[in-house]
Parts: sequence; C-alpha cells; structure tokens
Amino acid sequence: SQKIEQNSEALNIQEGKTATLTCNYTNYSPAYLQWYRQDPGRGPVFLLLIRENEKEKRKERLKVTFDTTLKQSLFHITASQPADSATYLCALNSGGYQKVTFGTGTKLQVIP
Amino acid sequence: DTEVTQTPKHLVMGMTNKKSLKCEQHMGHRAMYWYKQKAKKPPELMFVYSYEKLSINESVPSRFSPECPNSSLLNLHLHALQPEDSALYLCASSQDNRDETQYFGPGTRLLVL
Repeated sequence: SQKIEQNSEALNIQEGKTATLTCNYTNYSPAYLQWYRQDPGRGPVFLLLIRENEKEKRKERLKVTFDTTLKQSLFHITASQPADSATYLCALNSGGYQKVTFGTGTKLQVIP
Repeated sequence: DTEVTQTPKHLVMGMTNKKSLKCEQHMGHRAMYWYKQKAKKPPELMFVYSYEKLSINESVPSRFSPECPNSSLLNLHLHALQPEDSALYLCASSQDNRDETQYFGPGTRLLVL
C-alpha cells in the first residue's frame, strides 16, 4: 500500500538548535516533493519544493534534501526560533502533476 | 495579491440543509483545489479544477458538489451531509504550469449537526 510517513508526530527542540524532520514514502514515484507549514486553524503555507532530479534546496534558514533511492526527504530548520513552532507537512504528487498527497505531519515545538 | 479567500469562516448546518462554501483567488491561477482536513490529520484532496474543468474527483460522495463558475471562483455545494463530514474545508490554487506550489485559503470550519 502507499504511505507517506513523517517520523515524529511531535518534536521538541531548544531554541537555536537545528530541527530535522523526516518524510518517508513507499510505493510512490513522485516528480516533486513539497514542504508546508500549518498553524492551528489555518491553511498550510508553502515553504519549499524539490524535484526528483534535485538533491538539495535551500531558502534562508530552511534546507530540504530529497533521496529518491531511499525514498526520503529531510527538512532542516537551522537556528530555530519559537516562531518556528508549527506543524510541518510534506506532500508529494501521487498520480499526475496536480494530485497531491500529504504526509502525517510533525508538530514542532521550539522551546525558548 | 497572493491571497486565497474563503467564506464563510465557520458554518453550522443540519443534515437536511443545503449550503455552499466559496473560494476566490486573483493570482491568475488556473488550477483550484478542495481539501478536507479532520482534526490532527493531514489535508485530503477532494477535487481539482484545471482551466475551469473538473480534472480530479477523489471518489467524493455526491452530497459534495463542486462548481467552478470562472477561473477565479470555486464553490462547494453541500447537501444532506452527515455528522462525520464535520471538518476544516480548505481551498487552494496553483499556476497549473507544472509549478505546483499551492496557495491555501484559511479554510471553512464546518459542523454538521
């Protein structure tokens, strides 16, 4: 069966440290993978997209890696801040370019 | 303008009611989406419109009826819903040029009594 799993339901880290979130998938061959941030009661906000032929993408304090052999993406937030506390969702195209399936999500708490 | 708006913010309806959710974007996007999100779960795709035509229906029950009157507007008509349909309904849009970054609205919180 097809699965997109994010390894931790919740992750607590100290302010200033690097948060690393994992997204593993099985029985998909995505052309791209995205990461979104969602705050309680709000819609997801797009952060980064990485394509199947890319290994790494960066944007300010964010870094995403994509390993299609391991079927895994890692999402890093460096110098984490309490304002980074939110649920982070990975998403991949799961049949055609527009059909997107989200992972289970990781709730990140950055402790001051 | 990178905003997707949704109305209403909250909706309470009985199982015999008919109501509609509305979504609007003015980014010139040609793909629009409806998602359903239950508490502590990820969003689940329901429908996709591409150039005002329904391109994906994820086997959604017929009590949910989508409509795309023009490229900026997306409606979701609700009729004879069940209590288990209570959820956050999210609208999103994207360029539809293989850059599938999706911009989400704030959602409509629906409660079916």
